[in-house]
Amino acid sequence: QQQVKQSPQSLIVQKGGISIINCAYENTAFDYFPWYQQFPGKGPALLIAIRPDVSEKKEGRFTISFNKSAKQFSLHIMDSQPGDSATYFCAASMDYKLSFGAGTTVTVRA
Amino acid sequence: SQTIHQWPATLVQPVGSPLSLECTVEGTSNPNLYWYRQAAGRGLQLLFYSVGIGQISSEVPQNLSASRPQDRQFILSSKKLLLSDSGFYLCAWSFRPGNTIYFGEGSWLTVV
Repeated sequence: QQQVKQSPQSLIVQKGGISIINCAYENTAFDYFPWYQQFPGKGPALLIAIRPDVSEKKEGRFTISFNKSAKQFSLHIMDSQPGDSATYFCAASMDYKLSFGAGTTVTVRA
Repeated sequence: SQTIHQWPATLVQPVGSPLSLECTVEGTSNPNLYWYRQAAGRGLQLLFYSVGIGQISSEVPQNLSASRPQDRQFILSSKKLLLSDSGFYLCAWSFRPGNTIYFGEGSWLTVV
């Protein structure tokens, strides 16, 4: 049973465009929501994270929007670059264990 | 700074053979340690986690086991591999307490 549902499975965006990835969860006990970026053959690396008492967090071109009442959160990649082509995973943490979404493969076309 | 080392990076093992993947963390003490598995094109599944030496929690029933013989060492093992054990295995750690999990580079296991 997947505790975090992520969509879309893949997306293609033009260079300079905006990539949007959405995640939803059911368990209100989750208290930390990170996003990870994974390049082929590598381990995932933390990109940005948010706590449920914050509605938005921005770091450079990456923004997390968090809607606690809807139990949804999303990642926006602004001004997408070819180097952003990777798989992105949302996750939710409870008791220091992460539950991951299935991942979104982002391809940025030059 | 903290680093995590995981080996071997790749291995091809026959069905029924044993498995040992090893992971060590440097630059911190008393970390939480984790083993995740990622099937091809899939998300990450938590297999085991440990909050201290000799303390192992299993998240899913399976053909694998984990051990933590030292504070910063985490080992994933199997006595007899199955074809379904193939995948990308990731060791990870976090501060205790701490929510952010840091992953190693992973080990590709192909069971043939």
